[in-house]
Amino acid sequence: KAGVTQTPRYLIKTRGQQVTLSCSPISGHRSVSWYQQTPGQGLQFLFEYFSETQRNKGNFPGRFSGRQFSNSRSEMNVSTLELGDSALYLCASSFTGLAGGETQYFGPGTRLLVL
Amino acid sequence: DAKTTQPNSMESNEEEPVHLPCNHSTISGTDYIHWYRQLPSQGPEYVIHGLTSNVNNRMASLAIAEDRKSSTLILHRATLRDAAVYYCAASLRTSGSRLTFGEGTQLTVNP
Repeated sequence: KAGVTQTPRYLIKTRGQQVTLSCSPISGHRSVSWYQQTPGQGLQFLFEYFSETQRNKGNFPGRFSGRQFSNSRSEMNVSTLELGDSALYLCASSFTGLAGGETQYFGPGTRLLVL
Repeated sequence: DAKTTQPNSMESNEEEPVHLPCNHSTISGTDYIHWYRQLPSQGPEYVIHGLTSNVNNRMASLAIAEDRKSSTLILHRATLRDAAVYYCAASLRTSGSRLTFGEGTQLTVNP
């Protein structure tokens, strides 16, 4: 079974631009979560989608948004990029994302550099 | 959110056991404890998780304190391939799949 895939793997943008990152979960997984990883803040939860609905949201500004499609694929968008948005963006999928005891499977991440 | 704290780094010798500690004094009785590890340029990889009792799988063992304020990830025989950053994370039953990660422990395995 194929793992979680994320595209693109690397991205360079300039301040003020916007960016869209894509995630394809493991087949059969319906929950997709996004995390931001930086040296200073570590791994931080952005949001989670299930059945095309945002079910959980972390403490990030509204410039960070996402969506999920009917095939469970997900995208996240960051508008008006700032230098501090430079990070590794990770996507994780699980079957239902319920109850806290499910294993999450992470993709390799998209490394975003904002200049 | 539940907060987890871990030592920044630990060292071990190859083929010796490694005990990686995590403090999570603020978790509730229904919050799971997860461990993931991350190699450079890769996403986190699931290691093990548990709720109350100790757990074993082919990769590691998880020992959860009786009061659930701390846990220990046990690698029974460290190999060079086990060198990674190990993250302890909590998932609240009420928040579904959302994981709150600690800062991670960089494990160095000496040959």
